Amino acid sequence: DAGVIQSPRHEVTEMGQEVTLRCKPISGHDYLFWYRQTMMRGLELLIYFNNNVPIDDSGMPEDRFSAKMPNASFSTLKIQPSEPRDSAVYFCASSSNRAYGYTFGSGTRLTVV
Amino acid sequence: KNEVEQSPQNLTAQEGEFITINCSYSVGISALHWLQQHPGGGIVSLFMLSSGKKKHGRLIATINIQEKHSSLHITASHPRDSAVYICAVLQGAQKLVFGQGTRLTINP
Repeated sequence: DAGVIQSPRHEVTEMGQEVTLRCKPISGHDYLFWYRQTMMRGLELLIYFNNNVPIDDSGMPEDRFSAKMPNASFSTLKIQPSEPRDSAVYFCASSSNRAYGYTFGSGTRLTVV
Repeated sequence: KNEVEQSPQNLTAQEGEFITINCSYSVGISALHWLQQHPGGGIVSLFMLSSGKKKHGRLIATINIQEKHSSLHITASHPRDSAVYICAVLQGAQKLVFGQGTRLTINP
């Protein structure tokens, strides 16, 4: 398996633009997580899905952020409009069972100028 | 006070030394993860444990549920072990709460 695949690896965009981050989880994993990592706050859970259904989105910072999982093999995290304070590394992770831990993607480094 | 506290925040050691990183938490958990993040950003799950001790190669992780404390040990450390090590506790079904990480540097 190729692991959790995120795209793009890097994204630079101007303030006010829409940004879409993409994630392909490991086949067979039924949990998918979106995390954000910043120097100030470290790693934070934004939202997670179980069997494509959003379970906990309490970490989503504002209405500007939205996430979808239309099927078991794809998820998106969208920021509209983007702001400089959204600059961070966004990680996607998936898991099939707590006993087996998590698999993280390589992350998307977002810079909003 | 953070729910998950790691110590030390930074650790520099010589190749071959025995390394210990500590994690204390103040909330009820169902399990605890140790994660490794190398420069360049990729995160790897090293261990998930809910009791006792686990070993993988030169890495050993222990947890004491009563004392709400876990340790990650590295034996015969090597420069390639240089990374940030993150403790994360699992609350409820799947919510992970992370420590701030320990930056480990192993000098040759």
